[in-house]
Amino acid sequence: DADVTQTPRNRITKTGKRIMLECSQTKGHDRMYWYRQDPGLGLRLIYYSFDVKDINKGEISDGYSVSRQAQAKFSLSLESAIPNQTALYFCATSDLKIRDGNTGELFFGEGSRLTVL
Amino acid sequence: AQKVTQAQTEISVVEKEDVTLDCVYETRDTTYYLFWYKQPPSGELVFLIRRNSFDEQNEISGRYSWNFQKSTSSFNFTITASQVVDSAVYFCALSVMTTDSWGKFQFGAGTQVVVTP
Repeated sequence: DADVTQTPRNRITKTGKRIMLECSQTKGHDRMYWYRQDPGLGLRLIYYSFDVKDINKGEISDGYSVSRQAQAKFSLSLESAIPNQTALYFCATSDLKIRDGNTGELFFGEGSRLTVL
Repeated sequence: AQKVTQAQTEISVVEKEDVTLDCVYETRDTTYYLFWYKQPPSGELVFLIRRNSFDEQNEISGRYSWNFQKSTSSFNFTITASQVVDSAVYFCALSVMTTDSWGKFQFGAGTQVVVTP
């Protein structure tokens, strides 16, 4: 089983609908992130959370909201989806504890492809 | 602010040719980490390497090698004797080591590598 799981993997919806993308992790990491990937733009940070009580906006947070329900769960919501939110969304986790010898890398889920018609 | 530039949008090679992917970064911080990720056609993001700002040693791992030069703010990636399985999008990323920025990766736009038989 994947360490970082995203649901749904694919979703087609209509303009104006509310959509929630869910992410859960079994890595025990405190830090969780939502990124959006668009062709030619790389990955851009939407929101991030360093612990359950900490939520921060990334560079493209407008039109999105998040909820950190538990250490292991971080959900992304589009309150009223619009076509330019059509993209591939990635949840990721990281462990700050560099002192423990970890690489500090981001661990990604498999992605959620969202299409807004 | 951090910035990562991958000027090459797409590189096409014939199998067994070498291919070098350029990555140029900008940051005012002195402590930072650089990463390369691979995204094969299946869409998942695969961690390849991390390099910290204090370690300018080049690294070789099988057919992959990385050249980190602080003087030119570059962290280039070479695939030697390319294979069809190397076809993917490759992302360079930067993360600075400050309390509030750690884990906020700045990604380049990615370079699509196409290896034909």
